[in-house]
Amino acid sequence: QKEVEQNSGPLSVPEGAIASLNCTYSDRGSQSFFWYRQYSGKSPELIMFIYSNGDKEDGRFTAQLNKASQYVSLLIRDSQPSDSATYLCAVKGNDMRFGAGTRLTVKP
Amino acid sequence: KAGVTQTPRYLIKTRGQQVTLSCSPISGHRSVSWYQQTPGQGLQFLFEYFSETQRNKGNFPGRFSGRQFSNSRSEMNVSTLELGDSALYLCASSPGTESNQPQHFGDGTRLSIL
Repeated sequence: QKEVEQNSGPLSVPEGAIASLNCTYSDRGSQSFFWYRQYSGKSPELIMFIYSNGDKEDGRFTAQLNKASQYVSLLIRDSQPSDSATYLCAVKGNDMRFGAGTRLTVKP
Repeated sequence: KAGVTQTPRYLIKTRGQQVTLSCSPISGHRSVSWYQQTPGQGLQFLFEYFSETQRNKGNFPGRFSGRQFSNSRSEMNVSTLELGDSALYLCASSPGTESNQPQHFGDGTRLSIL
């Protein structure tokens, strides 16, 4: 079992829709959770981070964390074509572990 | 504030050679981590340095090594290069080692082994 699992996608949504990205992790000792966006040929860019159970909102992005279920998600509201990228889930315990990423395509 | 700077951006080497990559963290950041990214394996953790000390190490062979200097700049070295070492090597910095401090990535060094 991989330490951090994400659906590889591709996930395709129409412009203006909500994109939902999911991530599960195996280490119950994990303390912090991060979402990065990576455009093709570029390095990962931090979008959001969350430490406590519940929701955290930042503009069009909402991160959700459920430590009991070892589950973290990212919702992107009003998706735009510029949101098309690979989204990486990262989990930090003793060190940072990344999922393989979900490729999102937003179609105009 | 300048971001994380990695040099060189591109590098071509042949099997058996060695290579040194450099990373300058964001000003004030004292923790530097290195990752290898390949299409097949994704982002894999190599090691983390803080205050010139290696704090954590990923599951990579001893050919991969690193160090951190007193100004927080870091280098990683790969000896006896293999074809499978072809990858994007990313450096990320954070203010410290606390779990609630996110890491910020540099643009990476793309290493190609011929």
